[in-house]
Amino acid sequence: NAGVTQTPKFRILKIGQSMTLQCTQDMNHNYMYWYRQDPGMGLKLIYYSVGAGITDKGEVPNGYNVSRSTTEDFPLRLELAAPSQTSVYFCASRNRDRSFYEQYFGPGTRLTVT
Amino acid sequence: DAKTTQPPSMDCAEGRAANLPCNHSTISGNEYVYWYRQIHSQGPQYIIHGLKNNETNEMASLIITEDRKSSTLILPHATLRDTAVYYCIVTPSRAGANNLFFGTGTRLTVIP
Repeated sequence: NAGVTQTPKFRILKIGQSMTLQCTQDMNHNYMYWYRQDPGMGLKLIYYSVGAGITDKGEVPNGYNVSRSTTEDFPLRLELAAPSQTSVYFCASRNRDRSFYEQYFGPGTRLTVT
Repeated sequence: DAKTTQPPSMDCAEGRAANLPCNHSTISGNEYVYWYRQIHSQGPQYIIHGLKNNETNEMASLIITEDRKSSTLILPHATLRDTAVYYCIVTPSRAGANNLFFGTGTRLTVIP
């Protein structure tokens, strides 16, 4: 299993540009999550999904959108990028039979908005 | 959720066992102990969890004291790739949780 994969690894955006961060998992997990982690800080939940076709907001959803058309994929869309969105973005997934606290993370996308 | 206390940093010689302690003296009966780590510039990695009994998997062993007020994560043969920040989390395994809070953790440095 590749686990959770994310692309791209790095990206530099200009203010006002848009992009999609890709996340794919091959573990057949129902639950998927998007987090951001600012330097030296903890994780903040952006959006999550409990299954295909179902998404919900986390702690910091403003400026982002998600979709979940398949079990495997959970892309995160940034519209009108702003410097405050400079961060490292992690996607995670878990099996619905396991605890919320047993999540499997991807390697992250390091985004800089200038 | 119960508060945890971990030493801020530890060193371990390569090939030796790394024993990372966690104090959780206010843990309650339905709270689990989870361990994660985060290697520099990588995503957090789930390691192991337990409730009362000691647990072992391919990555590590978790030893929980009989009174459950503390636990130790053991990496049996530390390698340089185990250099990371290790986080101990104590939490009920309940529905409704909506964020992972790791605290400050222990920075483990494996020395060649």
